[in-house]
Amino acid sequence: NAGVTQTPKFQVLKTGQSMTLQCAQDMNHNSMYWYRQDPGMGLRLIYYSASEGTTDKGEVPNGYNVSRLNKREFSLRLESAAPSQTSVYFCATNSRTGGTGELFFGEGSRLTVL
Amino acid sequence: GEDVEQSLFLSVREGDSSVINCTYTDSSSTYLYWYKQEPGAGLQLLTYIFSNMDMKQDQRLTVLLNKKDKHLSLRIADTQTGDSAIYFCAGGSDSWGKLQFGAGTQVVVTP
Repeated sequence: NAGVTQTPKFQVLKTGQSMTLQCAQDMNHNSMYWYRQDPGMGLRLIYYSASEGTTDKGEVPNGYNVSRLNKREFSLRLESAAPSQTSVYFCATNSRTGGTGELFFGEGSRLTVL
Repeated sequence: GEDVEQSLFLSVREGDSSVINCTYTDSSSTYLYWYKQEPGAGLQLLTYIFSNMDMKQDQRLTVLLNKKDKHLSLRIADTQTGDSAIYFCAGGSDSWGKLQFGAGTQVVVTP
């Protein structure tokens, strides 16, 4: 049972390059989220998808786009990477139907923009 | 939205108790959470407390919630070296999953 899988785990980009972070979950959850983690700032929500077919901006969406490809997959795209986007990116999911709202996280994707 | 603040660092001796504190601004959070992040890994839910509770105990973990002061704490009894990690408190007011996280408290356990 893989849970939440993110690829790639590590990536180095040059300023202006583009890339897509992939996230897939096998938990049958409706909702998926992309967070970024920066030292001293905790986790900040970039985009989320409450259910298949919908996406919404979070706290820090500028410079990113997302696609909810199907119920399992939610990708994050950087069209023109900037050094300020150097961060650790986490995908997370939850069911949003009952329970405690617990988020389940992937292991993270460490991105460096030079 | 929710603002969540916590101290950034805590050093504790093995066998002692650790107390990690957190303050939050939004009193409408239904649940408040403590997540643990080990080096190079994602966050895992450690425990949570429902907003109408004052205390929750789970083995070595005790969560205290003071709604009047908007203060949440996590106590780890008999701290072990395996407890060395970053601990995040989080709360959410508008919908599940749109949680607001604190900056994280780095806990270092020394022998």
